[in-house]
Amino acid sequence: QKEVEQDPGPLSVPEGAIVSLNCTYSNSAFQYFMWYRQYSRKGPELLMYTYSSGNKEDGRFTAQVDKSSKYISLFIRDSQPSDSATYLCASWGKLQFGAGTQVVVTP
Amino acid sequence: NAGVTQTPKFQVLKTGQSMTLQCAQDMNHEYMSWYRQDPGMGLRLIHYSVGAGITDQGEVPNGYNVSRSTTEDFPLRLLSAAPSQTSVYFCASSRGRGEGTDTQYFGPGTRLTVL
Repeated sequence: QKEVEQDPGPLSVPEGAIVSLNCTYSNSAFQYFMWYRQYSRKGPELLMYTYSSGNKEDGRFTAQVDKSSKYISLFIRDSQPSDSATYLCASWGKLQFGAGTQVVVTP
Repeated sequence: NAGVTQTPKFQVLKTGQSMTLQCAQDMNHEYMSWYRQDPGMGLRLIHYSVGAGITDQGEVPNGYNVSRSTTEDFPLRLLSAAPSQTSVYFCASSRGRGEGTDTQYFGPGTRLTVL
């Protein structure tokens, strides 16, 4: 069983909507939590990371970690068609990736 | 900087053939790794290296070999290709193990089909 679980989607939203992505993890020893973005036929690239619990904001992106429930979230505000990609969550204690959620933002 | 480069971009093999996937980085990173990406499975670690001459197994190492003779290069060898090895392969590098601020940089991937 994977230690990081993620709904594969696809998740389709209209331009300007808020995108909400979630992952759960099972190992309470995990400390770092990352979100990677992967465009079609490209390698993943690091989008954001957080350490332990709390929120982190970077422009239109907000990452949240709730260690009590072992829940990781990524929110994209004012979504754009250029945000269409697969988003992978990852956690470190032992690097584990979720399966990725495909996001499609329609104009 | 070219970052992480991988060759070839695409490859078709027949069952039983062998081949080497090439990976190179020009960022002087010590840590390099190979992943495979399959639908619904995410990225799974095959092998990794913490420096020249040092390699170790990841989550799914069977059927693959690696070596690290230089800091820059980390080739992945398929010994006897099987259809189950049909996948997209990514090479990644980072200064350390890739957690938090220590960004892992991924190559563009190699799409491998084994018939």
